[in-house]
Amino acid sequence: QKEVEQNSGPLSVPEGAIASLNCTYSDRGSQSFFWYRQYSGKSPELIMSIYSNGDKEDGRFTAQLNKASQYVSLLIRDSQPSDSATYLCAVTTGGGNKLTFGTGTQLKVEL
Amino acid sequence: GAVVSQHPSRVICKSGTSVKIECRSLDFQATTMFWYRQFPKQSLMLMATSNEGSKATYEQGVEKDKFLINHASLTLSTLTVTSAHPEDSSFYICSALAAGQGAPEQYFGPGTRLTVT
Repeated sequence: QKEVEQNSGPLSVPEGAIASLNCTYSDRGSQSFFWYRQYSGKSPELIMSIYSNGDKEDGRFTAQLNKASQYVSLLIRDSQPSDSATYLCAVTTGGGNKLTFGTGTQLKVEL
Repeated sequence: GAVVSQHPSRVICKSGTSVKIECRSLDFQATTMFWYRQFPKQSLMLMATSNEGSKATYEQGVEKDKFLINHASLTLSTLTVTSAHPEDSSFYICSALAAGQGAPEQYFGPGTRLTVT
């Protein structure tokens, strides 16, 4: 079983819609959860971090965490073509600061 | 803030030669830096954790004698790929963890694309 799982996509949404990206993880001891955006050929860019159960909102982005279900999601409201990228879910594992990444979900926002 | 630079951004080298990649935190001190490798269409794989003033901790399957890591200061870590071979061609990315920061957010450098011919 992979430690961090994401649907590879592509996930296609029309411009202005809500994009919903999901991630599950296997390490119950994980404490910190991150969403990174990666454009093709570029390095990851931190979008959101979340550490406690519930929702965390930052602009058009909302991260949701449910530790009991070992599930973290990212909602992107009013999706724009510039949001088209691969979104990587990352989770701290082993009780430290090391990150384990999912394989990423490719998001395509269509005009 | 939280800017991390890498140099070079691209490098082409011949098989058997060594290549050094630098990772610098520009506006903060980084007690810990991480080195990742990313092959096409794949996710980031952690290679090693680099702590200032101590030996790096390598992930399982990563050859420490091939991938030499030095973290001599709070703002600089280097990765040297020794005796590079074509299979080492990849996108190498470093990240830095800010010293004294409560939340473990990693800031990534722009990456170095290595091509071994």
